[in-house]
Amino acid sequence: AQKITQTQPGMFVQEKEAVTLDCTYDTSDPSYGLFWYKQPSSGEMIFLIYQGSYDQQNATEGRYSLNFQKARKSANLVISASQLGDSAMYFCAMREGRYSGGSNYKLTFGKGTLLTVNP
Amino acid sequence: EAQVTQNPRYLITVTGKKLTVTCSQNMNHEYMSWYRQDPGLGLRQIYYSMNVEVTDKGDVPEGYKVSRKEKRNFPLILESPSPNQTSLYFCASSFISAGELFFGEGSRLTVL
Repeated sequence: AQKITQTQPGMFVQEKEAVTLDCTYDTSDPSYGLFWYKQPSSGEMIFLIYQGSYDQQNATEGRYSLNFQKARKSANLVISASQLGDSAMYFCAMREGRYSGGSNYKLTFGKGTLLTVNP
Repeated sequence: EAQVTQNPRYLITVTGKKLTVTCSQNMNHEYMSWYRQDPGLGLRQIYYSMNVEVTDKGDVPEGYKVSRKEKRNFPLILESPSPNQTSLYFCASSFISAGELFFGEGSRLTVL
């Protein structure tokens, strides 16, 4: 079973509108972290936002917010007021486990969503 | 400047010719990892390291080797590259307990 599922291979949004990119995850570990990364056409991986499994509030970073619904195991990225420069591939990722004498500590990525912002 | 540096950035090689992709970070991070990115598959973890001399397999370790002799360096070794290892490779690092994973700029490898 996939640990991270991004069901939208591609999304389109009009400039200045908000867009939600979906991410669901699967883990039995009570301690985990969820990330979103942006990969523009130039190829670099840009960190956007992080949510810990014990964080009480949804994470926000400027125009980015993470809609964390723990019971549903979803961690959707919301981009407000889209800009042309937001056109990129977006990856959701999950870090499981903690290092404690051999515990597994892995970071798993989804397959990504290609966002296109139209003028 | 805090960074993860990978070399080479681009490489074309032939089947069977051993190669090493270097990765170095200057942030004193314990955790380092290698990923490969292929179209439609996202990023898949090859190997990771929790600290010096501590390494473990990721999801796609076949055909790769790693070592962690120093905290800052985590080279990826392809002993006998094959065409199915043609890919975009990323090295990344972080503190174990912190959130953000810092990525290198990527190394695009083509095996003919």
